Amino acid sequence: SQQGEEDPQALSIQEGENATMNCSYKTSINNLQWYRQNSGRGLVHLILIRSNEREKHSGRLRVTLDTSKKSSSLLITASRAADTASYFCAPMDTGRRALTFGSGTRLQVQP
Amino acid sequence: DAGVTQSPTHLIKTRGQQVTLRCSPKSGHDTVSWYQQALGQGPQFIFQYYEEEERQRGNFPDRFSGHQFPNYSSELNVNALLLGDSALYLCASSGLPRNNEQFFGPGTRLTVL
Repeated sequence: SQQGEEDPQALSIQEGENATMNCSYKTSINNLQWYRQNSGRGLVHLILIRSNEREKHSGRLRVTLDTSKKSSSLLITASRAADTASYFCAPMDTGRRALTFGSGTRLQVQP
Repeated sequence: DAGVTQSPTHLIKTRGQQVTLRCSPKSGHDTVSWYQQALGQGPQFIFQYYEEEERQRGNFPDRFSGHQFPNYSSELNVNALLLGDSALYLCASSGLPRNNEQFFGPGTRLTVL
């Protein structure tokens, strides 16, 4: 099974700035999901993008997917202190049912 | 609409003991997955239950076992605890549509001394 590798490992920005984090994976996927985790708590599903989609929006979130480069990016616009969390991508292989996570990107938004 | 619930919130055990963690899925969900998350790491898949059967398993030893009940709730059992089993244990549920979007509970923090 494959897992996503998030980059950078850590990111610190000021409130109001945009935050971009990237995910790379190795094999063909059915979909790719992004999750957020506040310190020591459960994960929250943010967005799912299918392999035949190139871009998806949800509120202040924008996700892109480039299957030719096997990469995805998550953009958070106009960040807030409440966006401080770890962000994980989970590429889902065709036929698999479990999510496989990398180590995540730790985002710190300074007020 | 209740989300995924887990109990207990925290647990302290000693090496060699056994532990049982519990999970109730989100209303309408029939599939439960368990994950182990060590400090500073991403969650690692343990196994998934559907229709009371273990449907898929990650790279975890047989000391880790589980069960799913007719009401879709689930238990995770860990025998012969090791120090390295100290982690946050996350339960996630999913259902229709079958796109594998999972809803996570708050987790159980297990400390093995």
